[in-house]
Amino acid sequence: AQRVTQPEKLLSVFKGAPVELKCNYSYSGSPELFWYVQYSRQRLQLLLRHISRESIKGFTADLNKGETSFHLKKPFAQEEDSAMYYCALGSGAQKLVFGQGTRLTINP
Amino acid sequence: DADVTQTPRNRITKTGKRIMLECSQTKGHDRMYWYRQDPGLGLQLIYYSFDVKDINKGEISDGYSVSRQAQAKFSLSLESAIPNQTALYFCATSEEAYNEQFFGPGTRLTVL
Repeated sequence: AQRVTQPEKLLSVFKGAPVELKCNYSYSGSPELFWYVQYSRQRLQLLLRHISRESIKGFTADLNKGETSFHLKKPFAQEEDSAMYYCALGSGAQKLVFGQGTRLTINP
Repeated sequence: DADVTQTPRNRITKTGKRIMLECSQTKGHDRMYWYRQDPGLGLQLIYYSFDVKDINKGEISDGYSVSRQAQAKFSLSLESAIPNQTALYFCATSEEAYNEQFFGPGTRLTVL
C-alpha cells in the first residue's frame, strides 16, 4: 500500500537556522513526490515536485530511493516560511496520497 | 482568474441531516477531487473524478457520495451527517494525473 509519513507534527526553528522537514514514503513503483504548503489564511498550493528538481523560495528536496525519503530543506529559515507543509506521493492509481503534515514555525 | 470555488464556506448542521458541499472550477480541468482535513491526519481522499462519467472512491468514501454534474462542478453529499464528519473539506482540480493540484478555499463543516 502507498503511504507517506511525516514524523514531525510540529517543528520550530529560529530565523536564519537551517530547516529540514522529513518525509518518508512506502511505494513499490516509481514514485512521483511533491511538497505542498498552506500559509495562514491561504489555500493549499504546490511548493515543489521532485521531477522538476527546482528550488522554490529557497527550498529543495531530493528523492532518495534507497532511504525512501523526500526531505524538504532550506539553509536559512525566514519568518514567512511559517506554514503547514504536506508531503504527497503520486501513486499508480493516478491520485495523490498525502502525509499527516508538519506545522513549521519560524521564531524571530 | 481561473479559480476553484467552494460553497458554503462554513456550515453547522445536526446529526442525521443531509448536506451537500459544492465545488466549481473555471480552470477547464477534467480531474476533480474531494479531500477532508483533520488535525494530525493530514488530507484524506474521499472521492475523485477523471471526467464526467468517471467517479472513483478514495480512502474514506463511506458515508459520502458525489455527483459530477458537469466538467466544472463536483458535489459532495453527506446523506446522514454524523459528528465524526466534522472536518475541513477541500476540493481540488488538476489537468493531468500528477500535474499540480489546485485547491479551493475549503468548507468548514461542523456536525452537532
